[in-house]
Formats: sequence, C-alpha cells, structure tokens
Amino acid sequence: NAGVTQTPKFQVLKTGQSMTLQCAQDMNHEYMSWYRQDPGMGLRLIHYSVGAGITDQGEVPNGYNVSRSTTEDFPLRLLSAAPSQTSVYFCASSYSPRTEQYFGPGTRLTVT
Amino acid sequence: SQQGEEDPQALSIQEGENATMNCSYKTSINNLQWYRQNSGRGLVHLILIRSNEREKHSGRLRVTLDTSKKSSSLLITASRAADTASYFCATDRDSGGGADGLTFGKGTHLIIQP
Repeated sequence: NAGVTQTPKFQVLKTGQSMTLQCAQDMNHEYMSWYRQDPGMGLRLIHYSVGAGITDQGEVPNGYNVSRSTTEDFPLRLLSAAPSQTSVYFCASSYSPRTEQYFGPGTRLTVT
Repeated sequence: SQQGEEDPQALSIQEGENATMNCSYKTSINNLQWYRQNSGRGLVHLILIRSNEREKHSGRLRVTLDTSKKSSSLLITASRAADTASYFCATDRDSGGGADGLTFGKGTHLIIQP
C-alpha cells in the first residue's frame, strides 16, 4: 500500500495564479482532510470530507476549494494564490474524523 | 483556534534520559492523540487515549490523561537520537457527532543530544 500520496512535493506560484494540490489514498478511508502548517502555528484544518460527494469547511477555508468525486482522491484547489497561502499543506485520511489519521508527506507551497 | 497547547515549546536532553511533554486543552473531548513529525515529513500517529482512560502505554511511550485538569502528558523513556522530532497533541471536539476532525497544538520540538 502506498498510503496517502501528495503531489507535487514543492511548488512556487505567482500571486493570482491557480493550482490544484493532489491527494490520493489507497486504504479505502471515508474521511479525508486538508491541513496547512505554518511556523509556530501547528496544523489548521482547511476542508474535510466524510465520503464521496460530501465536503465541508474547516477552520481556515477561505481561498480554497475542494471536491470529492471518488473515495480515493481529494484535491485542494487554490483559486487565486496569495502570499498568505505560503505554507506546507498536508492531506490526511482515516476511517473516521476522531481516529488515527494517516498523513501524506506534504506539499511545500511558496507564493511570491 | 488552538484546542491543544504543548509545553514546553522546545526540549533538549541527553540520549538515554526520559523526555516529558505536556498538552493542555480547553473543551470536552472524546479522545486525545499524540503525533510525531520528523523534520520535513508528514505526521505519524503515536497513540490515542480515550476520555475514560487515565494512562496508556505503547513501547517506550507512556501517555496520561487528566480530564479534570484538561491535560495530558507524553513520556518517552530511554530516549534515542531517532526520537528527535516535533511532537503534537491533537484533540477532537465533543460536539455531539461533529465530523470536523482534529485540532492540533503548536508542538514540542524535542532534541536528543548524543
């Protein structure tokens, strides 16, 4: 099993550009989520999904969109990148939101 | 908003010593989890303790939970250089079935000196 995979590993964007961060899992987990990690801030929840076709906002959803068309994939879209979105982004999956989360390796995003 | 807060922010000890880090949280929880993050990597789950449990062990890890004080501690015994990492506590919210996931603290950065 590959677990949770994320692409790309690194990305540099200019302000105003859009892009999609990919996340996939092969553990048949219903729950998937996106976090961002900033220095000294811990992880903050952006969006989450409890199953295909169902998504909801987390703590810091502004500027991000998600969709969940399959159990395996949960892409995160930045609509118009801003320097404040410079961060490391982690995708996670699990059987439920309250149990052990399996994290991907992260995507380091820089917006100039 | 941050639910869990770890203390200390940073800890440096000699190899072989024990490391203790603490987590405080604000609202009622169903469970509390501890994760490890090596530099530049994703988080790895270490242990989950439920709100009706007081202590849990896993190998060299010992976690305690005091719901009356809204606090937890993680003890790593006989530390090794490979234990150098950041450690995070994470809590769910006892929000009556809410599905919005975990809230993480800011982490304790542990350095094991050889």
